[in-house]
Amino acid sequence: DAGVIQSPRHEVTEMGQEVTLRCKPISGHNSLFWYRQTMMRGLELLIYFNNNVPIDDSGMPEDRFSAKMPNASFSTLKIQPSEPRDSAVYFCASSFGRPEKLFFGSGTQLSVL
Amino acid sequence: SQQGEEDPQALSIQEGENATMNCSYKTSINNLQWYRQNSGRGLVHLILIRSNEREKHSGRLRVTLDTSKKSSSLLITASRAADTASYFCATEPNTGNQFYFGTGTSLTVIP
Repeated sequence: DAGVIQSPRHEVTEMGQEVTLRCKPISGHNSLFWYRQTMMRGLELLIYFNNNVPIDDSGMPEDRFSAKMPNASFSTLKIQPSEPRDSAVYFCASSFGRPEKLFFGSGTQLSVL
Repeated sequence: SQQGEEDPQALSIQEGENATMNCSYKTSINNLQWYRQNSGRGLVHLILIRSNEREKHSGRLRVTLDTSKKSSSLLITASRAADTASYFCATEPNTGNQFYFGTGTSLTVIP
């Protein structure tokens, strides 16, 4: 089992550019979570999918952020346009059934200059 | 915010000593979990305690839960240098299947 796979591992971009973060959950898991981690705010839940359907996106900061899960094995988090305050580590996590244990990817370190 | 708060923010101990971290939260929960994060890595699940449980053990880990005080503690006994990491509590509110993480405790175990 390869675990949750995120790409890219690091992303450096300029303000105003579009950023796409990718996540492949563990095979068979039916819940997927996107989190953002910063020193100031800690780990923030951005959006939660269950069976590919967005259940709660109340944590998405603003309209510049969007997330999709076109199938059970792939999800994207897109920021357009990106801003320096979006700089953070973005984590994807997945779980099976009624989620009681999250499996995290290694994260994407995003730097917006 | 439904996030919890860990206390202390940072803890430094000698190898072999016990480490205790506390977590406080705001809403009624189904369960509470503790996770560990090594520098530059994702979080790893350590232990889960349900709202009807008061104490749970796993190896050198001991977790307690006091739902009346909305607080939990994580005890790591006989600490090792390899236990150096950040530790987070996560709560699942009884309103839905989300998980809200606390601010974390940074533990340093000095060899």
